[in-house]
Amino acid sequence: QVQLVESGGGLVKPGGSLRLSCAASGFTFRDYYMSWIRQAPGKGLEWLSYISTSGSTVRHADSVKGRFTISRDNAKNSLYLQMNNLRAEDTAVYYCARVMTIVNNWYFDLWGRGTLVTVSS
Amino acid sequence: SYVLTQPPSVSVAPGQTARVTCGGANIGVKSMHWYQQKPGQAPVLVVYDDSDRPSGIPERFSGSNSGNMATLTISRVEAVDEADYYCQVWDTTSDYAVFGGGTKLTVL
Repeated sequence: QVQLVESGGGLVKPGGSLRLSCAASGFTFRDYYMSWIRQAPGKGLEWLSYISTSGSTVRHADSVKGRFTISRDNAKNSLYLQMNNLRAEDTAVYYCARVMTIVNNWYFDLWGRGTLVTVSS
Repeated sequence: SYVLTQPPSVSVAPGQTARVTCGGANIGVKSMHWYQQKPGQAPVLVVYDDSDRPSGIPERFSGSNSGNMATLTISRVEAVDEADYYCQVWDTTSDYAVFGGGTKLTVL
């Protein structure tokens, strides 16, 4: 079935690194832009980044720019988020999401179940 | 950066109509999207392009968007509708997705 499954979360110390993965199935992954979105405990949704179909265009939110990097491997139907120099405030559930791109009207029509990242000493 | 403002909570009795608002500067010229999130679950798209519903979303869910306010309307509210609801637009100036802070819908 059509789904996204995240993995790679866990406990990491401040200043550490983590790489999240998102496995796509049931649709033609290479045809879609993809995004990462996170949700801190008890808080709202925060968009983090998007990547174009080929991976040639990426965009990151200011809050993670220079520390997080989105990438994809279309041959493996996989999306990634490399997170470096992690801080306590990066503690959150991280979701990957499929992006519907229609002119300047973008939204997220398919979400994974999320993976929890905890940054603590 | 663009800001979307939602009320923290809305309460409604079963069978009544719930309206969740989302305010933003001249928001009517943007396309509004709404997500439902139940505890411990991922968000689910319930309305896109102001008023369209994805396949599988009940007709009880509808949306409108004009001026400085967008509204998600849930008719004949059921207990299963109790959830957090988030509005979202794409800010073309910053090339960012922007979410509202979320509204907790309580079914009394």
